[in-house]
Amino acid sequence: DAMVIQNPRYQVTQFGKPVTLSCSQTLNHNVMYWYQQKSSQAPKLLFHYYDKDFNNEADTPDNFQSRRPNTSFCFLDIRSPGLGDAAMYLCATSREGRGQGTDTQYFGPGTRLTVL
Amino acid sequence: GQNIDQPTEMTATEGAIVQINCTYQTSGFNGLFWYQQHAGEAPTFLSYNVLDGLEEKGRFSSFLSRSKGYSYLLLKELQMKDSASYLCAVLDSNYQLIWGAGTKLIIKP
Repeated sequence: DAMVIQNPRYQVTQFGKPVTLSCSQTLNHNVMYWYQQKSSQAPKLLFHYYDKDFNNEADTPDNFQSRRPNTSFCFLDIRSPGLGDAAMYLCATSREGRGQGTDTQYFGPGTRLTVL
Repeated sequence: GQNIDQPTEMTATEGAIVQINCTYQTSGFNGLFWYQQHAGEAPTFLSYNVLDGLEEKGRFSSFLSRSKGYSYLLLKELQMKDSASYLCAVLDSNYQLIWGAGTKLIIKP
């Protein structure tokens, strides 16, 4: 089945210790997104890739970086996690983006990050 | 600024019908999505409306009025598994998805 996969599902890190979250997709979608979601809040878009074109949201802290080495994979790097970065991190994909088609976003299961 | 409003929490009874409202004020409009999110899980796509009117999909229906900046999600024959948060999201003129905070729906037997 075509899907969006995130690993790990649960990640625990130490305050200030770099951590990388991964996302892969078998949908062959052009666009990949990273969201941060805290309890009872809306998902907050951190950045997205339209193919290899990286788009950073203006209010995404520099502490958050991303890499997309190929169509299928995308990584979220948190260089120095703080206690406030504890959240669910959601990866999503859409077929085309930029107004082509419905731009429906399909989500992976998420990675819940705990910072100790 | 851009804004999506939906009730924080609603309670309904198993077997009943519930309507979850969403109002929006965004810079442009390229469609409205409803997603379902169970606690601790990722959102799953329910519906997409870009034209005015009602879209029916099984027990779930979604309505849109662009002139009023208003949508609702209607859930019929409620089941316990429908207990979840329901998120309304609008695609703005830049094709960015603007999210509401979600409505937590509690189903009681």
